[in-house]
Amino acid sequence: DQQVKQNSPSLSVQEGRISILNCDYTNSMFDYFLWYKKYPAEGPTFLISISSIKDKNEDGRFTVFLNKSAKHLSLHIVPSQPGDSAVYFCAAIGYNTDKLIFGTGTRLQVFP
Amino acid sequence: DAMVIQNPRYQVTQFGKPVTLSCSQTLNHNVMYWYQQKSSQAPKLLFHYYDKDFNNEADTPDNFQSRRPNTSFCFLDIRSPGLGDAAMYLCATSGGGNQPQHFGDGTRLSIL
Repeated sequence: DQQVKQNSPSLSVQEGRISILNCDYTNSMFDYFLWYKKYPAEGPTFLISISSIKDKNEDGRFTVFLNKSAKHLSLHIVPSQPGDSAVYFCAAIGYNTDKLIFGTGTRLQVFP
Repeated sequence: DAMVIQNPRYQVTQFGKPVTLSCSQTLNHNVMYWYQQKSSQAPKLLFHYYDKDFNNEADTPDNFQSRRPNTSFCFLDIRSPGLGDAAMYLCATSGGGNQPQHFGDGTRLSIL
């Protein structure tokens, strides 16, 4: 039972354009959401997070949007750069737990 | 500076031969986690420690065990590896609660 879903296994975007990565979840008790980026042969690296009491969080080129009623969040990268090419994982934390529930990831490729 | 260090990066063992993977951290975090990740799948939490308190996931196989002798180190012991245990094993740490987890670069385990 996949509680966090990333339905697009891959995404290809031209350099300079916006990349939008999507994530859906099923558990309304999730309290906090995070995005991680993973390069080959490296561990996931924390990118940005958002609390369930907010609907937007921005950090430089990265913005995460949360729509609680739709149980949907998205990561916007603008402008996209070739160095952004990686696998992006969406993850969620339940209320009063220390455990991350990951999605299956979306492979982003940014081409020149 | 590496903050979560996993050794070795690659490990090959024989079917049924016990193997130990190690993880160390310089972040002084309370919580340490072990994840298993198979190709194109989400990282799957095996267990985690909050300080010395061990928390096993219900579906973690019995031949997976862990030790945390002190704050800095955590070990994953696989008593009798089967072919299905070939995977990337990721160690992570956090300060607990909603604080992001910091991952090591993983150990890729192969079973002959």
